Order: sequence, then C-alpha cells, then structure tokens
Amino acid sequence: NAGVMQNPRHLVRRRGQEARLRCSPMKGHSHVYWYRQLPEEGLKFMVYLQKENIIDESGMPKERFSAEFPKEGPSILRIQQVVRGDSAAYFCASSPATSGGDEQFFGPGTRLTVL
Amino acid sequence: DAKTTQPPSMDCAEGRAANLPCNHSTISGNEYVYWYRQIHSQGPQYIIHGLKNNETNEMASLIITEDRKSSTLILPHATLRDTAVYYCIVRVSSNTGKLIFGQGTTLQVKP
Repeated sequence: NAGVMQNPRHLVRRRGQEARLRCSPMKGHSHVYWYRQLPEEGLKFMVYLQKENIIDESGMPKERFSAEFPKEGPSILRIQQVVRGDSAAYFCASSPATSGGDEQFFGPGTRLTVL
Repeated sequence: DAKTTQPPSMDCAEGRAANLPCNHSTISGNEYVYWYRQIHSQGPQYIIHGLKNNETNEMASLIITEDRKSSTLILPHATLRDTAVYYCIVRVSSNTGKLIFGQGTTLQVKP
C-alpha cells in the first residue's frame, strides 16, 4: 500500500507565475489536509478537504490560494501569482473515512521556491 | 484545541530512554493527546495518541497523568535515527481533524 504521494517534490517558479501542487492520498483515504512550513518555522494548517468538498479552509490565505479534491484524481493546491513569501514546503496528509482519533499520514512534501 | 508547552530542545544518549514531556493544562475531557515527529524536513510521522490511559506501540509509550494535564512520550531505546523535532498536539476527536503544531522539542540523540 503506497503512502501519500506528492508531486512535484521540488518546484521553482518566478514571481507572478502559477504553482500547482498535487497530492494523492493513501488508498482508501477520503480526507486530505494541506499544511505549509515556511523556512525555519513550524507547520501551519491550511485546508481540509473531503471528496468534492472543502470542510475547513480557515488556514488558507484569502487571496491567490485555492484547493480542490475532485471525485477522481489527486487533490490540487493552486497558488496564483506567486510571490517570494510563498516559498515553503507544502505537506499533504490523508486519513481514513472514519471519524474520531485517526492519525494523519503525511507525504514527503513539495518544496516551492519562488525566484 | 488546547495549547501545549514543550521544552525547545533535549539531548539523549544513544541506547538510553528518551523522555519527552508535554504540558496541556487546559485540555478538555474529549481531547486526545497526539505525538508526531519530523525528521530533518521530511513529512511529519505519526507516533502515538491516547485519551487517558497509557498507550504503547512498536515505536513508543505514552504516559498521561491522571489529571490529564501533562504527558510524557517515551522512546525506550533511542537511536541516532530518532533525532527529530517531536510535536505534542491535543485535539478533539470529532473536530475537522486539523492538527495545530507548536514549536515542538528538538531531540538530539548523541552517540
């Protein structure tokens, strides 16, 4: 059973370009979470999605950031018009479709560098 | 979710037990205690969680005080590969599931 997969592992963008980060959850998991880790800082929750639904986006910046988890295919975190401050590691996690004290399984992350 | 307090760093000799403390004095009755670790910028790794009873798995043991205001993660025989940042997190089991990471404890296992 493959773990959480993220791609690309490294992404370089120039200011103003768009960044698309993909996350494939573990098989059988229908809950996906995105976290961001700025350089030398801790992990910050961004958004929680279930299939075709955003459940909690309280950690998402109000502008330029969006996330989706379609019925088919991976979850996508999209950053429009990137700025240097978006440079960070973006981690995706998934958990099973059961409620209550479930652990989250994290992917290896995507390192975004904005030039 | 309740706030947690952890020491910023700890050292441990290889082969000895590592005991990592966490204070969560405002924990509510329906909040679990979770431990994760992050090894050198890899994705965080789940270690263990518990509600009020002590828990043990193949990685570690979790000791929760009777009043649940603090807990200790025990790595019984630390190895160099256990060097990581360890995060203690408390959260309600029925909430949206987001994990709120603090600064954690940087554990350095030394030969």
